[in-house]
Amino acid sequence: ILNVEQSPQSLHVQEGDSTNFTCSFPSSNFYALHWYRWETAKSPEALFVMTLNGDEKKKGRISATLNTKEGYSYLYIKGSQPEDSATYLCAFSSAGGTSYGKLTFGQGTILTVHP
Amino acid sequence: DTAVSQTPKYLVTQMGNDKSIKCEQNLGHDTMYWYKQDSKKFLKIMFSYNNKELIINETVPNRFSPKSPDKAHLNLHINSLELGDSAVYFCASRDREVYGYTFGSGTRLTVV
Repeated sequence: ILNVEQSPQSLHVQEGDSTNFTCSFPSSNFYALHWYRWETAKSPEALFVMTLNGDEKKKGRISATLNTKEGYSYLYIKGSQPEDSATYLCAFSSAGGTSYGKLTFGQGTILTVHP
Repeated sequence: DTAVSQTPKYLVTQMGNDKSIKCEQNLGHDTMYWYKQDSKKFLKIMFSYNNKELIINETVPNRFSPKSPDKAHLNLHINSLELGDSAVYFCASRDREVYGYTFGSGTRLTVV
């Protein structure tokens, strides 16, 4: 059984604060780590897909890092805005076999940015 | 232009009924998936098809049967609906090369 855990479960920050949250995943048989942003009443939207240890990806004020050897990824948001309020999901996929293409999701971190 | 579209968005039905949820993607992706959002809000994979071929079939009751008439469509048929089937079901597709998923907007199924 693959476990993907995210922390914290929820986070409240003030507009302008920078924040980060964590995703931990199995370090063996790693293939890719995904981050998704999920706004209420919408569908999850892909932010990043990372495959290499040490990968860093950036999109505007949001960035992510990956450590496959110890099995964790961080998502950072710089200067949070109210429109960043959403659930941030990470998902892990393992290499080959019958699990090919299957994502195992964490439970998400719910971010609320207060004006 | 909706990339992955699911219908219906909401479905309320009685126990014992048979219902279908349809999914279509216009992205040219090879692989399509059904995920279920469980009571703890986790997204759990149910099925995956690659170019009309079933490649992932998780431990799902055999009342659930996916059907892929072509690589742009993946429908989910559910027989003899039970109360515990109430959930939000998400369809997704993926480009084999890019590996990011594009999700549909979900179908909220309520069994009464």
